[in-house]
Amino acid sequence: DIQMTQSPSFLSASVGDRVTINCKASQNINKYLDWYQQKLGEAPKLLIYNTNSLHTGIPSRFSGSGSGTDFTLTISSLQPEDVATYFCLQHNSGSNTFGAGTKLELK
Amino acid sequence: QVNLLQSGAALVKPGASVKLSCKASGYTFTDYYIHWVKQSHGKSLEWIGYINPNSGYTNYNEKFKSKATLTVDKSTNTAYMELSRLTSEDSATYYCTRLSIRGTGFAYWGQGTLVTVSS
Repeated sequence: DIQMTQSPSFLSASVGDRVTINCKASQNINKYLDWYQQKLGEAPKLLIYNTNSLHTGIPSRFSGSGSGTDFTLTISSLQPEDVATYFCLQHNSGSNTFGAGTKLELK
Repeated sequence: QVNLLQSGAALVKPGASVKLSCKASGYTFTDYYIHWVKQSHGKSLEWIGYINPNSGYTNYNEKFKSKATLTVDKSTNTAYMELSRLTSEDSATYYCTRLSIRGTGFAYWGQGTLVTVSS
C-alpha cells in the first residue's frame, strides 16, 4: 500500500503570509495527487487535482506542484477564510490514501 | 445540481450492524461510482472503497473488506454501506463522495453520517 506523509501537522501563520504544505508518497504516484480543504463541521472540499490543476471556483491563491513522490500545496497570501485542515490524497494505485492532515490557524 | 444526501446520525451497540444511506440527485446515478470515506473524530480520512452503481462492482480498501459492504438501489438512486460487528473503533463520521464530471477529484460530498458505537 502507498503511504502518504504530510507535513507539518500544525501550522500557524498571519494574514498575507505565503504558506506551504507538503506530502510525500512512499512510492512514485506520478501526478495523481489531490488537495482538499476541510473546515470545522463540514465535508472536505476539493481544491487541486492531479498535482496542479485548480478545481472550479477555487481562488487562484491556491496552487499545487510536485511530481513522483514529493508534492506541495501553496497558499500565496493567506486569508482568514483559509483557516481549515488540509489533506492530500493519492489516487495512483487502485486504492486511495489520504495524508494525516495539516491544521492551519491564524497567528 | 449534484446532491448527495446521507442518512442521519446513528447510535448502535457494540457487536451490532448499521446500514448508512446516500441518496443521489441532480445527475444520472449510474454514470458515476460512489466512494465512501471514514473520518474518526479529530483524525484523518480513510478511503473505504467504491461501488459502480451500474454493475454493482465493488472495490474495497483491504482494511475494510471484512467491515464494510457496499450496495446500491438503482430504483431510488441510493447507495448503501453496511458496517458489521461494530466496535468503538468504528465510531466515526462516514462520507459518501463522487468524482467530478471529468473524473478529476472528489468534487461532490455528502454531509456525513456520525456513527457512535456505545452500549
